[in-house]
Formats: sequence, C-alpha cells, structure tokens
Amino acid sequence: AQKITQTQPGMFVQEKEAVTLDCTYDTSDPSYGLFWYKQPSSGEMIFLIYQGSYDQQNATEGRYSLNFQKARKSANLVISASQLGDSAMYFCAMREVQYNNNDMRFGAGTRLTVKP
Amino acid sequence: GAGVSQTPSNKVTEKGKYVELRCDPISGHTALYWYRQSLGQGPEFLIYFQGTGAADDSGLPNDRFFAVRPEGSVSTLKIQRTERGDSAVYLCASSLSYHNEQFFGPGTRLTVL
Repeated sequence: AQKITQTQPGMFVQEKEAVTLDCTYDTSDPSYGLFWYKQPSSGEMIFLIYQGSYDQQNATEGRYSLNFQKARKSANLVISASQLGDSAMYFCAMREVQYNNNDMRFGAGTRLTVKP
Repeated sequence: GAGVSQTPSNKVTEKGKYVELRCDPISGHTALYWYRQSLGQGPEFLIYFQGTGAADDSGLPNDRFFAVRPEGSVSTLKIQRTERGDSAVYLCASSLSYHNEQFFGPGTRLTVL
C-alpha cells in the first residue's frame, strides 16, 4: 500500500513568491518521522527539513517550513521567497519508528519550476 | 567535510554480467543505506547497515542482489546476472545513527543493455 502520496507531479511558481508542495501519508504507527528532500538535476538528494510525529511546533529551516496537520495526516512543504535555484524535484518521505524501523518510504515527488 | 561518495557515477553493462557499486559514507556515520531510484519515482529502500552488519535487507528484490560493509565504513552493492530491469540510479546514504537524517551520495546510474 502506498504510504506517501504527493499529488502534484509538477508545480510552477514565480520567483520571490511562496509555494506549497503537498504530501499526505498513511500510518498506524504512533511514532514516525517525516522528511523532505530536494533532488536537483545533478541527482543528489539534499535533506531539507524534518518533523517528528510528537513535535508540537511546525518545523522551520530558513525559507522552508513544514505545515504539519497530524489529524489530516498531511505534511506540506512551504517554500517562501522562491529562488531560481529552488527548481528541482522534491520528495516527501516517512519513517515509522515502531513498526518498520529501517524502511524510509518516499513519495513519487513533485517537480518544482521557478519562473523568473 | 567530505560528503557521501559513490563510484562509478555511471556503469553500463550487458545483460547477465556482474557489477559492483561502491559507497563511501561520511566519516563516523554508523548507519548506511542503499536505495534504488527508477525514472520518475522516489527512492526505494534496499538494505540498511548498522556498523558492519546488515540490520535489514528486506528491500533487496531477489537473491541476485547482495551488499557488504566489512569494516563498517565503505559498502559495496553487488548485482549478479544483471537484467535490463535492474537499470536505475542506485543511491547510497549515511547517517550518524539510525535516528538522524540521512545524507545521500550522488548515485550510480546503472544501465543494463
């Protein structure tokens, strides 16, 4: 069963504007972690931000913030003040701590294009 | 400091051949992971090492795939009797421990003709 769903295959945003990339997940594990990675055309996966299931506050890292809605099982990535260098694939991932410790599941990704 | 490195960056082989893919993790990282990424998809977990031992190899697709990490640092992913369906980018990642974020290498693009 698909654990991570990213419904937006592609997104466009104007430079300097904010953009939200959607991610929903499915788990019955009470303890889990959610991750976002960026993959530029060079292919390397770059860690962006992490949210633990018990974290009370939404995670933020510079221009990246995670809109965590636990009851809805969503973990959307918000990128503020988009830059041309933000154009890349973005992957949402989840690790279940108790049930399936080692298997970090990734979504299919969203390709973000920033327009000048 | 140096990140995760993988060699070769590209590997082209013929169906039925044997290949080895190498991963050099970040120094001091005890956890090492192998993933496979097919075109247009997210990475798919293959195997996880904690130190020298394979703590979880449940993601290996079949017994043609095998990985080792004999000294707890460098790891080699070995694929026997390659098939065209094995063509993908093979990603390696390491982390300080299991609970920390994973840092990925640039990947090895394997093409089986």
